[in-house]
Amino acid sequence: ETGVTQTPRHLVMGMTNKKSLKCEQHLGHNAMYWYKQSAKKPLELMFVYNFKEQTENNSVPSRFSPECPNSSHLFLHLHTLQPEDSALYLCASHRLGQDFYGYTFGSGTRLTVV
Amino acid sequence: AQTVTQSQPEMSVQEAETVTLSCTYDTSESDYYLFWYKQPPSRQMILVIRQEAYKQQNATENRFSVNFQKAAKSFSLKISDSQLGDAAMYFCAYRSALGGSQGNLIFGKGTKLSVKP
Repeated sequence: ETGVTQTPRHLVMGMTNKKSLKCEQHLGHNAMYWYKQSAKKPLELMFVYNFKEQTENNSVPSRFSPECPNSSHLFLHLHTLQPEDSALYLCASHRLGQDFYGYTFGSGTRLTVV
Repeated sequence: AQTVTQSQPEMSVQEAETVTLSCTYDTSESDYYLFWYKQPPSRQMILVIRQEAYKQQNATENRFSVNFQKAAKSFSLKISDSQLGDAAMYFCAYRSALGGSQGNLIFGKGTKLSVKP
């Protein structure tokens, strides 16, 4: 148990489907992140939430829609995705002001778009 | 913008031997943090070791140690007495000590480490 839980672990969806990824942490962290991990590429930061307010959107296409209802939960809503969106999506959390401690990551959702 | 480079896509080591993974970074800042993360097949990113830029002493965590060369902007990871469980992807990451978006973690592409029995 890492402290950051992501569900589902695997997801296969068609390009016309709508699905959501969920991330949950009970570490008392107040910042949460979505990363995209594709083969042979660095991890790409997608969204940043501080105190459940979005503070960063790294030019992510609108077919990805994040939601952060509180500091413990983070969602990534997916619709009309493309095959190139297939990747591992990682959630991370952090306590603001404790920069030296890095982030705590979940085990990710392996997404396949068919 | 800061960048992190890991020049070794794959490395291999014999069990019980020592291996060093390379990482270089580019920054104009003087205060920052550096990290090594391990990602085994379970996919969870695990923090292995971290270093504060203003500390000259190299960080050590059991069998893991770093060689931090600030002037050369180099941050290599040494794994001693390698074990089968060390087989994983290893990512080097940089984090500015500044707040806001500059404080986000920036990762290299990773090095895949194999451990031979």
